[in-house]
Amino acid sequence: DQQVKQNSPSLSVQEGRISILNCDYTNSMFDYFLWYKKYPAEGPTFLISISSIKDKNEDGRFTVFLNKSAKHLSLHIVPSQPGDSAVYFCAASEETSGSRLTFGEGTQLTVNP
Amino acid sequence: NAGVTQTPKFQVLKTGQSMTLQCAQDMNHEYMSWYRQDPGMGLRLIHYSVGAGITDQGEVPNGYNVSRSTTEDFPLRLLSAAPSQTSVYFCASSYKLGLAGAYEQYFGPGTRLTVT
Repeated sequence: DQQVKQNSPSLSVQEGRISILNCDYTNSMFDYFLWYKKYPAEGPTFLISISSIKDKNEDGRFTVFLNKSAKHLSLHIVPSQPGDSAVYFCAASEETSGSRLTFGEGTQLTVNP
Repeated sequence: NAGVTQTPKFQVLKTGQSMTLQCAQDMNHEYMSWYRQDPGMGLRLIHYSVGAGITDQGEVPNGYNVSRSTTEDFPLRLLSAAPSQTSVYFCASSYKLGLAGAYEQYFGPGTRLTVT
């Protein structure tokens, strides 16, 4: 039972354009959502998060949108840079599960110069 | 401040061998977790701890043991290694933010384990 799904294993965009990474979830109890970025041979690093009481959170070039009715969130990167090339994981948690995170499968983003 | 450290970085085991993956954090975080990453499956939670002396099972606990005798350390033990345990293992530590369900998690660099 995959509660967090990232249906696109890979995404390729041109430098300077927008990257949109998508994530769907099935557990309506999730109340906090995070995006992590992972480079090869390194651990995931936190990128941006959003609480279920909001529908948008912005941090520089990164914006996360949450659509609770559709159980969908997306990460927008504008403008995309070659250094953004990495695997991006969507993750979710619920208050009753404490610090446990449920991750999606990940999306490999490649930004071409 | 080293953050979350993991040793070893790489390990090859034969089927049936046992070993311990080490994890330490110096941020005084209450919560620590072990995940494994397999191709196409994201990160899956193995075991976690909400404080010294308290551990619980995650999504894929079979074949692994943990203990948490101090706040800093959270070792993961493979009791009898199997090829299905070939994976990359990540340790994480976290603390609770003010919002419901919100935890800031920090990951170590990972241990790449191969079981032959």
